[in-house]
Formats: sequence, C-alpha cells, structure tokens
Amino acid sequence: DAGITQSPRYKITETGRQVTLMCHQTWSHSYMFWYRQDLGHGLRLIYYSAAADITDKGEVPDGYVVSRSKTENFPLTLESATRSQTSVYFCASSPLKDRGRFGANVLTFGAGSRLTVL
Amino acid sequence: GQNIDQPTEMTATEGAIVQINCTYQTSGFNGLFWYQQHAGEAPTFLSYNVLDGLEEKGRFSSFLSRSKGYSYLLLKELQMKDSASYLCAVRFPEYNNNDMRFGAGTRLTVKP
Repeated sequence: DAGITQSPRYKITETGRQVTLMCHQTWSHSYMFWYRQDLGHGLRLIYYSAAADITDKGEVPDGYVVSRSKTENFPLTLESATRSQTSVYFCASSPLKDRGRFGANVLTFGAGSRLTVL
Repeated sequence: GQNIDQPTEMTATEGAIVQINCTYQTSGFNGLFWYQQHAGEAPTFLSYNVLDGLEEKGRFSSFLSRSKGYSYLLLKELQMKDSASYLCAVRFPEYNNNDMRFGAGTRLTVKP
C-alpha cells in the first residue's frame, strides 16, 4: 500500500532496553522526520534526514539514534530506554520540491507509535 | 528557542464560526502551517501561509500578518467532525529549511 507506515503501533518496554521504531514510505520523498508528541509540548523534532545516508539532529536528539541506508526507511532507535521517553512518536516525510505554493514542503505523517517505558 | 503560542482549548457550537489564534516570534520567519489532528490520529495538513493575507480553502481559512507575528485559522459552519486539535507550525530559516517548530496545539470541541 502506498503511504507512510510505522511499526509497531504500540510498544511497552522496560527501562534500559533497546527499542527500534520503524518507518517506511513509498513515495520516494527525500525528507524524513521523527517527532515526539507529549502533552503540553506539542510535536518536537528528534532527528531528520534530507536523503539516504544524510541525517541531522533536531530539537531533542539525546538518547536517540537514527539511520537511513535506503530512501524509504528511517528507523529510530532508543539505545537504552528511559521513562522520560514514554511518548507518541510520529514519523513524517516531505518531498524535496513542494507540491504547493512558495516551497511549502508539506509534511505527511504516519499513524504514530505509542511507546511506554516502565 | 522560538515560542509559538496558541490557546490550549476552545469550545464552539455546531454551525458557528471559530477563530484559533497563533502568535510567534517574528525573527527569521519562513512560512506558517496549520495541521488538524483528531484524537489518536496523525496530524494532517490544512493550510500554508508565507505572505500576508487570507488563504481560503472551503470552510477553512488561514490568515497571516508577518509584521505582527500572528496567524489565525478560521473555521466556518462548524461540524461535529471538526472536533480535533489544531496545530500551528512555523518554519524558521535559522534551522534547516525543512525544520519546523510546532505550537502545543488548540483542542477544539464542537458541541451540538
């Protein structure tokens, strides 16, 4: 199916465990992003990628690792999960060239992954 | 950092008009987006403003004043399905051109 898919949708883990959230898009969008959403904070950017093998930190990168060996995949890894990383994680993508006016670069989001760290 | 402020919650009546405001620091502005997010779902794109003025799209309109660091989303003829959170997001060129900052969102409840 075309679109952007995240897995798992729900995950419960324990403090100190490694967790990987997967993100896959079928549009060949150049840009991919990982956001976390917490009550009162809105969406905060963790990492983003402009193309395969190019990644950069966002606003809250500590405790997270990303990779992008293929254009369509952008996994997010929590190397040693902490309770503060309990959140809803959204993956998003956008094309290199916008499909609207004036370089809009609209984000299309996946359905989200709800992670609970006990 | 860049502050983006919007009201936390609003309530309106079905069939009415509601205006959701968003203010941001004006330095380095490079575009403003509105997204809609229903509870438990992903945000979806509603509108984009980069120049001053009103952008109309059906029942939804978005206004921007760059000099005032101010935008609003106007929803007309409210329907029950419009109950959702509305996220204001601003792109600042001091970050990567594809990096945006989101406000915390305004949760709109439409009542019969």
